[in-house]
Amino acid sequence: GAVVSQHPSWVICKSGTSVKIECRSLDFQATTMFWYRQFPKQSLMLMATSNEGSKATYEQGVEKDKFLINHASLTLSTLTVTSAHPEDSSFYICSAEIAGRETQYFGPGTRLLVL
Amino acid sequence: AQKVTQAQTEISVVEKEDVTLDCVYETRDTTYYLFWYKQPPSGELVFLIRRNSFDEQNEISGRYSWNFQKSTSSFNFTITASQVVDSAVYFCALSKAAGNKLTFGGGTRVLVKP
Repeated sequence: GAVVSQHPSWVICKSGTSVKIECRSLDFQATTMFWYRQFPKQSLMLMATSNEGSKATYEQGVEKDKFLINHASLTLSTLTVTSAHPEDSSFYICSAEIAGRETQYFGPGTRLLVL
Repeated sequence: AQKVTQAQTEISVVEKEDVTLDCVYETRDTTYYLFWYKQPPSGELVFLIRRNSFDEQNEISGRYSWNFQKSTSSFNFTITASQVVDSAVYFCALSKAAGNKLTFGGGTRVLVKP
């Protein structure tokens, strides 16, 4: 149990285009999902907390208009990187928390390369 | 503010050696949770353990063991008789409570040589 999937696993796009990443909890409902970003050989940094049916909470320094988050159902959250630029190239990882377990389970991540 | 420090950036051992990963945390909360995650080269984070602030019992799971000491704000992780498959980056993390964000340490890269 507690499986989280992400799609796509990797994406290459041209500068200026938008990219959507999906995060799904496959065998449980997640009222809260989290989006992290990890640059090479660095730790994970939280970008935003996504709650089903409400607006996401962004961490300081993360542009909410650039990184659009939608949590439309208890099993799906999406992150859209709008007008992507090379500096947005990174490893994006989502996690989902099972209510009452106080543990986040992570997806396999999405590698984004913006040319 | 919460902070997690993993002082060791990289550890290299020979197979069958034991390896201990240090984790020191800072928090003003009386209730909190500590975690260890493993990140193999594939990138996916694998949950290893969760410990709440009121449970200082050490835990052993197979070749893995954890030593939680509130007095020194440490939550160290030991791999006994390491294997090549243990090669990965290991992250210690701290969370305030359920539904709260994880604060990660910088990670420790473990390389187990055959």
